[in-house]
Amino acid sequence: NAGVTQTPKFQVLKTGQSMTLQCAQDMNHNSMYWYRQDPGMGLRLIYYSASEGTTDKGEVPNGYNVSRLNKREFSLRLESAAPSQTSVYFCASRLAGGPGETQYFGPGTRLLVL
Amino acid sequence: SQKIEQNSEALNIQEGKTATLTCNYTNYSPAYLQWYRQDPGRGPVFLLLIRENEKEKRKERLKVTFDTTLKQSLFHITASQPADSATYLCALGGNFNKFYFGSGTKLNVKP
Repeated sequence: NAGVTQTPKFQVLKTGQSMTLQCAQDMNHNSMYWYRQDPGMGLRLIYYSASEGTTDKGEVPNGYNVSRLNKREFSLRLESAAPSQTSVYFCASRLAGGPGETQYFGPGTRLLVL
Repeated sequence: SQKIEQNSEALNIQEGKTATLTCNYTNYSPAYLQWYRQDPGRGPVFLLLIRENEKEKRKERLKVTFDTTLKQSLFHITASQPADSATYLCALGGNFNKFYFGSGTKLNVKP
């Protein structure tokens, strides 16, 4: 049981380049999330998917798009990277989105945009 | 918008003592609050949850309190060990699918 996996682990981009961050979970969870973590700012929700086929914006969605490819996979795309998107990105999942359910996090993707 | 405050300064304590971390919040009425542990270079790991109608929750050496009047949660680690050194995050939940995280407090337990 791998839990939540993310690829790549590290990435360096130039301003204007695009890339897709991949996330997969093998726990049969319905809900999946993308967060970014910046120093001193905590985790901020970018997008989430309550269930397969649905996605919704979080606190900081600008500059990002997401795809819930199937129940297991939830990808985050940066169409035109900007230095302000330098951050650590975490994917998370939880069972059904009910109150109090814990989230399970992946190991993170460290992104540097030059 | 909601604001969550955790002490940004690291907390340094001696092994065996009780560590107490604080999470204060404003402009929000969470239905529950969670605490996570995060080690360097890794994702957060869930520790404890407390609901708005609960005053206190315990799990082994961990204890969480929740005061909805003060809008504050306290997280205690008793008999702390160097292995407890990490950053601890609080997260507020209400809407089923959204959480709001604090920036975390780094705990250093010295032998």
